[in-house]
Amino acid sequence: DAKTTQPPSMDCAEGRAANLPCNHSTISGNEYVYWYRQIHSQGPQYIIHGLKNNETNEMASLIITEDRKSSTLILPHATLRDTAVYYCIVRVNSGSARQLTFGSGTQLTVLP
Amino acid sequence: GAVVSQHPSWVICKSGTSVKIECRSLDFQATTMFWYRQFPKQSLMLMATSNEGSKATYEQGVEKDKFLINHASLTLSTLTVTSAHPEDSSFYICSTKLDRGNYGYTFGSGTRLTVV
Repeated sequence: DAKTTQPPSMDCAEGRAANLPCNHSTISGNEYVYWYRQIHSQGPQYIIHGLKNNETNEMASLIITEDRKSSTLILPHATLRDTAVYYCIVRVNSGSARQLTFGSGTQLTVLP
Repeated sequence: GAVVSQHPSWVICKSGTSVKIECRSLDFQATTMFWYRQFPKQSLMLMATSNEGSKATYEQGVEKDKFLINHASLTLSTLTVTSAHPEDSSFYICSTKLDRGNYGYTFGSGTRLTVV
């Protein structure tokens, strides 16, 4: 799995968009970008994933640069409940089960 | 959505005793279960991978005789911390891959183990 780099922490005002960056300069052509988050003392939760196109779901948007060397997770209207550690994971989408490797992630704190 | 039910959510035990943590897949079959451990302010670290009906594969540095994993059915996997010591105090999380979808890793809610 390609290595990812994320800022250790970010703050965001409640109601504003939270933009969380991730660098993955060694990503391979068949590797996807996945985002998970972990609210304090809970198990991680899937947010979104993408290969090369931008993706949007009910939770967030994922913007992947054209060269795929970086991406940004966007929470359009952050709430206090979005305070969590956000993990960017790059890996091949394999049909067989293979463990997720978590880096240190970004601690997002949404401020009232 | 697919849910992995993990319990207990927290447990306090005395040194030298054993603690069993259960993870059940509620509406799907979990062929493979991953067990993670997370110390305060650190990321999740994989401890072992278990496949239904076979022996678990442990990561380097994880004692297989101390952390017993049983995955006897497609809906239940257990992790038993034997002869627990205070340094085993941690947050333990199970995870499995869903059969459907290409993003399908779901996680249990975690177990906070405190050994006193």
